[in-house]
Amino acid sequence: RKEVEQDPGPFNVPEGATVAFNCTYSNSASQSFFWYRQDCRKEPKLLMSVYSSGNEDGRFTAQLNRASQYISLLIRDSKLSDSATYLCMTNTGNQFYFGTGTSLTVIP
Amino acid sequence: GAVVSQHPSWVICKSGTSVKIECRSLDFQATTMFWYRQFPKQSLMLMATSNEGSKATYEQGVEKDKFLINHASLTLSTLTVTSAHPEDSSFYICSAPNRGDIEAFFGQGTRLTVV
Repeated sequence: RKEVEQDPGPFNVPEGATVAFNCTYSNSASQSFFWYRQDCRKEPKLLMSVYSSGNEDGRFTAQLNRASQYISLLIRDSKLSDSATYLCMTNTGNQFYFGTGTSLTVIP
Repeated sequence: GAVVSQHPSWVICKSGTSVKIECRSLDFQATTMFWYRQFPKQSLMLMATSNEGSKATYEQGVEKDKFLINHASLTLSTLTVTSAHPEDSSFYICSAPNRGDIEAFFGQGTRLTVV
C-alpha cells in the first residue's frame, strides 16, 4: 500500500468554482503535512502547511483529519492562475512521502 | 527561507555519456537529501535518499550502479547518471529537509535530455 494516496484527477472547473482535493495517508505516525503546488516543468513549491486545527490562507483552506488519516485542500473562487498540479506530502521522521498529484485546470 | 540550489537546470547529452547533477543547501545543513525523477505528466517518484557520510538508500527498481549518489558534505549531494540513454530523459529534482526535518525544500530541477 502506498504511503500517500491522492486522486490524480484531472479536475476541470470553471472560474469562480470551489474545488476540493483529498489525500489519505497510511502511516498513523505521520507528523506533519503539507500541500505543494507544481507548475508545468517547474519544481514543487510549498503552498501551505496543514495544521491539526485546520488553517486558511486567503482562498485556500487546509484541513487534517487524524482519525480518518486524510488531509484536504479547498480552493474557493478558483482563478485561472490556480491551474497547476497539487501534491500532498506527509513527513514521518526524516522521510517525506508525496501523493501522485492532482491536476487542476480552471476554465474561463 | 531555506534555499536549495540545483545545477544545471537543463542538460542535453549524447547517449552513453555521464551527467552529474548537483544539489546544494545554501543556508542550512542537510544530512539527508532526496532525489526524485518525474516523467511528463506523471508524479514525482523517489529514486533514492542521500545520506551524508554514508551510502545512499535506493528505492526498489532504481539501479544504484547507474544512478551514482554522493553526499560528501552537509551541503552538497550529487547524482550522476552514468551511461545515459534516451529513456533516462526526465526531470530530476532534489530536495532537502530543514534542520528540524519538518519541511522539505526543493531544488529548481534539472531537465535531462539524452539524444
